[in-house]
Amino acid sequence: QVQLTESGPGLVHPSETLSLTCTVSGFSLTGYSVYWVRQPSGKGLEWMGRMRYNGDTSYNSALKSRLSISRDTSKNQVFLKMNSLQTDDTGTYYCTRVSYGGPDYWGQGVMVTVSS
Amino acid sequence: DIVMTQGALPNPVPSGESASITCQSSKSLLHSNGKTYLNWYLQRPGQSPQLLIYWMSTRASGVSDRFSGSGSGTDFTLKISSVEAEDVGVYYCQQFLEYPRTFGSGTKLEIK
Repeated sequence: QVQLTESGPGLVHPSETLSLTCTVSGFSLTGYSVYWVRQPSGKGLEWMGRMRYNGDTSYNSALKSRLSISRDTSKNQVFLKMNSLQTDDTGTYYCTRVSYGGPDYWGQGVMVTVSS
Repeated sequence: DIVMTQGALPNPVPSGESASITCQSSKSLLHSNGKTYLNWYLQRPGQSPQLLIYWMSTRASGVSDRFSGSGSGTDFTLKISSVEAEDVGVYYCQQFLEYPRTFGSGTKLEIK
């Protein structure tokens, strides 16, 4: 069955770089796109960026200067790297599979706290 | 960026009653292919969001027929008929037409 699992450090210090991994199963990264979406604690959802099935990427312009998304199809993994983290980057980070209708499967999310 | 604006619910909603959640987009979400690229999600407490409706009115797989979506190019409604305890959570609309994909701020549903 389709599964997405986010992993990464729970704590990042201010100004440092966040590295997250989304490991997928039950589908191919060359057949489906993957989004990264984040949610500050107690707040709403923010689309961060996309890894398309053909390897193209697209980013939220508000984050573009700090954000990079890549993948390793042989390992069924999509990666997110975001630099210069600040306290308002604290929240839960999700990866999602995208079908023709939108994000149909979501990971359980990974909580990231930015604190010294 | 397309701005998505959601309305509030008169919480709590009595169990068994219907509830309608509104969403407005700053730009028409009607694509040239005739589809309207508006999605609805439910995020239950402590859980990841779940896709309920896509293309404005198509229910996602496994979603109860108590949920229905309707609207025009810029004004949308998610209707929940006969609300149940399991419907509690925050509902989000999202436009799927342009990048960046943008979400509404969410509408909380509480049940009485």
